[in-house]
Amino acid sequence: DIVMTQSPDSLAVSLGERATISCKSSQSVLYSYNNKNYLAWYQQKPGQPPKLLIRWASTRESGVPDRFSGGGSGTDFTLTITSLQAEDVAVYYCQQHLISPHLTFGGGTKVEIK
Amino acid sequence: EVKLVQSGAEVKKPGESLKIFCKGSGYSFNDYWIGWVRQLPGKGLEWMGIIYPGDSDTRYSPPFQGQVTISADKSNTTACLQWSSLRASDTGIYYCVRPGYSSGWPPGAFEVWGQGTKVTVSS
Repeated sequence: DIVMTQSPDSLAVSLGERATISCKSSQSVLYSYNNKNYLAWYQQKPGQPPKLLIRWASTRESGVPDRFSGGGSGTDFTLTITSLQAEDVAVYYCQQHLISPHLTFGGGTKVEIK
Repeated sequence: EVKLVQSGAEVKKPGESLKIFCKGSGYSFNDYWIGWVRQLPGKGLEWMGIIYPGDSDTRYSPPFQGQVTISADKSNTTACLQWSSLRASDTGIYYCVRPGYSSGWPPGAFEVWGQGTKVTVSS
């Protein structure tokens, strides 16, 4: 089974500062057929379903502020929030959606305001 | 508008059976995978499995194989998740999800989420 390891489990960042979350997969999620990384990032706020933020490791969804960015390839990925806003307080998850049947999520990273 | 609307909260006793529903609308139901995700109280997201309604290709995450059944009713554009014998450890929120584009395998990222169905199993 592919394992997705997120770190840290939680982080507290001052408003306007940078937050960086790591996601490492035990196998590559780069699909050679189309050279795309099947790695997504989701944001979940309390009492809500998760929301897709970034697909293909680095493509922001429509309407997602550009302070959110994704990077990486193969097995190592990052989600960066360049200038943390109060509304960004949430839990963030990565997910690989390449390797069947277990489309594994990372354990989640809770982002709070310092 | 593309939507996944899930059935309402359930309270059940251990050993009882349960089927919850996820109705898709606003798109061609047969052409998109629908997956199920579990979230235990205060915990993270867990992938349960996925079905392609067009041909009923169903793939279970190993921890959930044999524990639940995923199905789809094309005529009612509804996906289902069912248990034959619930346990207290099944208590949680269950989300249905749909990828952003229609395709074979692998699916795209899951851009459409149902609102979640809360399942409580308690004696």
